[in-house]
Amino acid sequence: GDSVTQMEGPVTLSEEAFLTINCTYTATGYPSLFWYVQYPGEGLQLLLKATKADDKGSNKGFEATYRKETTSFHLEKGSVQVSDSAVYFCALSGESSASKIIFGSGTRLSIRP
Amino acid sequence: DGGITQSPKYLFRKEGQNVTLSCEQNLNHDAMYWYRQDPGQGLRLIYYSQIVNDFQKGDIAEGYSVSREKKESFPLTVTSAQKNPTAFYLCASSRDHSNQPQHFGDGTRLSIL
Repeated sequence: GDSVTQMEGPVTLSEEAFLTINCTYTATGYPSLFWYVQYPGEGLQLLLKATKADDKGSNKGFEATYRKETTSFHLEKGSVQVSDSAVYFCALSGESSASKIIFGSGTRLSIRP
Repeated sequence: DGGITQSPKYLFRKEGQNVTLSCEQNLNHDAMYWYRQDPGQGLRLIYYSQIVNDFQKGDIAEGYSVSREKKESFPLTVTSAQKNPTAFYLCASSRDHSNQPQHFGDGTRLSIL
């Protein structure tokens, strides 16, 4: 079945550092890919998405490129801020998963001032 | 503003008691979902509904029940058969076709007295 694997956390960086959170997926056909962010005590918010190969999703300085050849959707940001501290979830919605979304296990990011 | 409202934000259950968590959306979405999130872990799907008066079990449905009598409402009952109910519960909705992102409520934290 479809699945998502993302790097385990926690990830701790200093402010203004470069961020990469790795995400790879297994799915049949051409899934849509998402990154969600969860701030403490809140629900998940959609951060960005990509619906086909080579698409780049971007929002709030974060970017991720849909790489079909490597089945990856890594999240990147050039200069992180303390306010980016949260848990990040990679997810997919594929042809075999009906209307369900398959989530990765989440990566906790902490940014030091 | 359109969105998803979960209530209450905090809920306490006594041993042997059923409790119901509310989820209401005004996004006119067909599909609704319930997830459970345990500390430091990802989301696990409890139940989902793609249309009114229809719902399917997710990965961890035992000890839970749902109803979908109205498009905008998808309440979750945590029954006494759920022996480890302490968790953060998230409700989500999406348009009812594949590859659409889900919109989340702010969650209900359930604890055992």
